[in-house]
Amino acid sequence: KNQVEQSPQSLIILEGKNCTLQCNYTVSPFSNLRWYKQDTGRGPVSLTIMTFSENTKSNGRYTATLDADTKQSSLHITASQLSDSASYICVVSANGGFKTIFGAGTRLFVKA
Amino acid sequence: DGGITQSPKYLFRKEGQNVTLSCEQNLNHDAMYWYRQDPGQGLRLIYYSQIVNDFQKGDIAEGYSVSREKKESFPLTVTSAQKNPTAFYLCASSIDPPSGQSYNEQFFGPGTRLTVL
Repeated sequence: KNQVEQSPQSLIILEGKNCTLQCNYTVSPFSNLRWYKQDTGRGPVSLTIMTFSENTKSNGRYTATLDADTKQSSLHITASQLSDSASYICVVSANGGFKTIFGAGTRLFVKA
Repeated sequence: DGGITQSPKYLFRKEGQNVTLSCEQNLNHDAMYWYRQDPGQGLRLIYYSQIVNDFQKGDIAEGYSVSREKKESFPLTVTSAQKNPTAFYLCASSIDPPSGQSYNEQFFGPGTRLTVL
C-alpha cells in the first residue's frame, strides 16, 4: 500500500534553533518527492522537489535530503524564524506522476 | 498563491443544500485538481481534470461533482449526498497532466473552508 508517514506530528522550537522533520514512504514506483509549507488557512507552497537521482536540495534556510534506498526524506530548517510556524507536508509521486500521496504533515511552532 | 484563486474563503451551508466552490487559474495549466483536507490527515483527491471537457474521479469522489468547460475554471459542487462535507477544500493546477515526466509540480490556491450548520 502506498503510504507517506511524517514525524513528529508537531514540534515546538525556540526562534533561532534548527530542526529536522522526517518523512518515510512506501510509494512505488517512485517518481519524485516534494516538501510543501502550508500556513494556517492557506494553500501549500512548494519548498523543494527531488527525483530519484537527487539526494539533497536547498531552498534558502530549508534543506531537503532523500535516501531512495531506505525510502526516507528529511527537511532541515536552519536558524528558525517565527514565520516558519506552519505545517510541512511531504508529498510523494509514483508511477510517473499518475499517483500522488500526501503525508499528514508536521505542525511546527516557533516561539520567541 | 501562484495565480490560482478560490472563492469564497469561508462558506456556510445548511444540511441538504448543494453548494459550489469556485477555482480559477491564469497560469495556462492544463491539469486541475480538487483536494479535501481534514485535521490530522493528508490531502485526499476528490476529482481531477487533465484537459477541458474531461475529468476523472479521485479517491473520494462520492457526493461531489465537477465540470471543466473552460481551461481556466474547475468548479466543485458539494452535493447533499456528501455525508460529512465540513472540511478545507484546496484546488490545484499543474502545467501538464501526469504523463511519466519526473516533475509534475502542483500549485495550490488559498483554499475554501466549508462548514455545514
